[in-house]
Amino acid sequence: TQLLEQSPQFLSIQEGENLTVYCNSSSVFSSLQWYRQEPGEGPVLLVTVVTGGEVKKLKRLTFQFGDARKDSSLHITAAQPGDTGLYLCAGSGGSNYKLTFGKGTLLTVNP
Amino acid sequence: GAGVSQTPSNKVTEKGKYVELRCDPISGHTALYWYRQSLGQGPEFLIYFQGTGAADDSGLPNDRFFAVRPEGSVSTLKIQRTERGDSAVYLCASSLTGGMYEQYFGPGTRLTVT
Repeated sequence: TQLLEQSPQFLSIQEGENLTVYCNSSSVFSSLQWYRQEPGEGPVLLVTVVTGGEVKKLKRLTFQFGDARKDSSLHITAAQPGDTGLYLCAGSGGSNYKLTFGKGTLLTVNP
Repeated sequence: GAGVSQTPSNKVTEKGKYVELRCDPISGHTALYWYRQSLGQGPEFLIYFQGTGAADDSGLPNDRFFAVRPEGSVSTLKIQRTERGDSAVYLCASSLTGGMYEQYFGPGTRLTVT
C-alpha cells in the first residue's frame, strides 16, 4: 500500500510570511499532484509534477518533486489570507488514475 | 461551463437505512471516480468508471457499497444497511478519460448516519 505523509498537519502564520509544507513517501510515484480544498468544497488541482527533480511555479507557489519521485514540497512566498485552506498531495502509481492522498496540511494565514 | 455536481449536498439517515448519492460529471468526461473523505483525512479512492463499466472497484469497503453508471454519464453510489462508520464526505470526480488527466472534483455529499 502506498502511503503519503504530509507535514506539518496544521500551520498558522501571519500574512506576508513564507512557508513550506512537505509530502513524503517510501514509495515511488509516477506523478504527484497538489490540491487545495476549502471547507464544503472538493479539492482543486494546483499542479502535477511527473519528473524527478522537477520544479514548477504558480505565482507565489513553488512545487518541487524529489529526485527519486518519493517526496514533494510546496513553498508559498508572502502568504495571503486567500491562501488559507487544506493542502493535499496525491500520488499516482502505475495505474495513473487511482490517486492516493495524504491527510493534508491545514494552513491558516492571519491578516 | 458546469462543473461536477453532486446531490444531495447533505444527507442525514438512520443506522440501517439505504441511501443513494448522485454525481453529475462534466459533460464529455468518460472517466468518473468516487472517493470518501473522513474527518481529518484525505480523500480515499472507492471506485473508477470508464464509460459505463466499473474499471476498478477495489476501494469499496464491503458489499454494502455499490455504484452504477448505466449510461456513461450520471453515477449513483448506493449504500445499504448504513452504519455510523459510513459517515463521511463522499466526493465524485470526473476526467476527460482515464490515465494522467486532471480529475475535477465536485463539492461532495456529507453523509451523517445517526
